[in-house]
Amino acid sequence: RKEVEQDPGPFNVPEGATVAFNCTYSNSASQSFFWYRQDCRKEPKLLMSVYSSGNEDGRFTAQLNRASQYISLLIRDSKLSDSATYLCVVNMGTGKLIFGQGTTLQVKP
Amino acid sequence: NAGVTQTPKFQVLKTGQSMTLQCAQDMNHEYMSWYRQDPGMGLRLIHYSVGAGITDQGEVPNGYNVSRSTTEDFPLRLLSAAPSQTSVYFCASSYSRQGESPYEQYFGPGTRLTVT
Repeated sequence: RKEVEQDPGPFNVPEGATVAFNCTYSNSASQSFFWYRQDCRKEPKLLMSVYSSGNEDGRFTAQLNRASQYISLLIRDSKLSDSATYLCVVNMGTGKLIFGQGTTLQVKP
Repeated sequence: NAGVTQTPKFQVLKTGQSMTLQCAQDMNHEYMSWYRQDPGMGLRLIHYSVGAGITDQGEVPNGYNVSRSTTEDFPLRLLSAAPSQTSVYFCASSYSRQGESPYEQYFGPGTRLTVT
């Protein structure tokens, strides 16, 4: 079993839609969690950290469920510019960060 | 600040050749990592370092060596290139506040390596 798993998609949604991605992790001792965004053939960039209490940044909401070992990302009012691959990242501690395979989002007009 | 720099941007190797991918950061980050990304896959951790002189293996370390003699540099060595090592390689650095987990990873632009 992979340490971090995501549904690769693709998720094809119309502009304005709400879309949610989930990610599961296997190591219950994982310390911190992130969502990264990657545009085609570019380096990943931090979208947001995920806190235990859940956190929101504009149209983006991240949630963590430690009991079930999953994190989620909700995007409201999707824009064309949101089209990208979203990577779930889990910090195993001691500087070791593991990435999921990514979920591809395509927002269509 | 230049951030994280990687050289070269592109490289073609023949099977069996060796080479070193260079990575440098000027942010005084303690953590540095190397990842590879293959089509349709996320990033897989090759090796990482939590400070100068300290390295550890990630998910896919075979065929690669690293060293960290300075805070700034973290080169990745391919000892004998194989076609299975054709990939995009990303270097990243991060920091943490005292006693806390590493924060945001800053990535270099990547090196696209083809082994024929």
